[in-house]
Amino acid sequence: GAGVSQTPSNKVTEKGKYVELRCDPISGHTALYWYRQSLGQGPEFLIYFQGTGAADDSGLPNDRFFAVRPEGSVSTLKIQRTERGDSAVYLCASSLNTNTEAFFGQGTRLTVV
Amino acid sequence: QKEVEQNSGPLSVPEGAIASLNCTYSDRVSQSFFWYRQYSGKSPELIMSIYSNGDKEDGRFTAQLNKASQYVSLLIRDSQPSDSATYLCAVRWNGGYQKVTFGTGTKLQVIP
Repeated sequence: GAGVSQTPSNKVTEKGKYVELRCDPISGHTALYWYRQSLGQGPEFLIYFQGTGAADDSGLPNDRFFAVRPEGSVSTLKIQRTERGDSAVYLCASSLNTNTEAFFGQGTRLTVV
Repeated sequence: QKEVEQNSGPLSVPEGAIASLNCTYSDRVSQSFFWYRQYSGKSPELIMSIYSNGDKEDGRFTAQLNKASQYVSLLIRDSQPSDSATYLCAVRWNGGYQKVTFGTGTKLQVIP
């Protein structure tokens, strides 16, 4: 596609539920990043994929968060037992390789009620 | 802990003036530097990248990098009201770290 695509654009879920957020990167981009952004803050790094493997998952806040990229293209961020503190905009970005600029999708606004 | 620091602002400048946005980072061994613009409710949009010391110009935007001082800045000439946004500084660290770390952003207001 022309840009990074994220679905859904908005997600409201109840506390304790499981959610999946999807990211479709720019075609041909091997590097994929997930960030989380709270109001008034800069994007906070969660995880980075190079190809199919998670090269750096040091930003995942706890074991309720998990992400996959099984075929080296689309990635899914999975959050188990959601908490109200998980509410944020989840941003996905991709870059051609690890040394080039990253381009962001429009984000998924997650609200946990 | 590798950090990127920015003044949160708001920075107010009159239309037509030069806006100067500053960013410092904590590690000398840093590879790449980026400026993103983020309008309220929108995702970050890349406007400039810079990899080596000195100035890089693109239209009304100039990025300046000084690795010895661990300092990167963005100048916006002839500021327009449409430039009003939050500007995020981002650093990609060297030494095996490929993640990009963002500052909290500086809010710029261009007053007509």
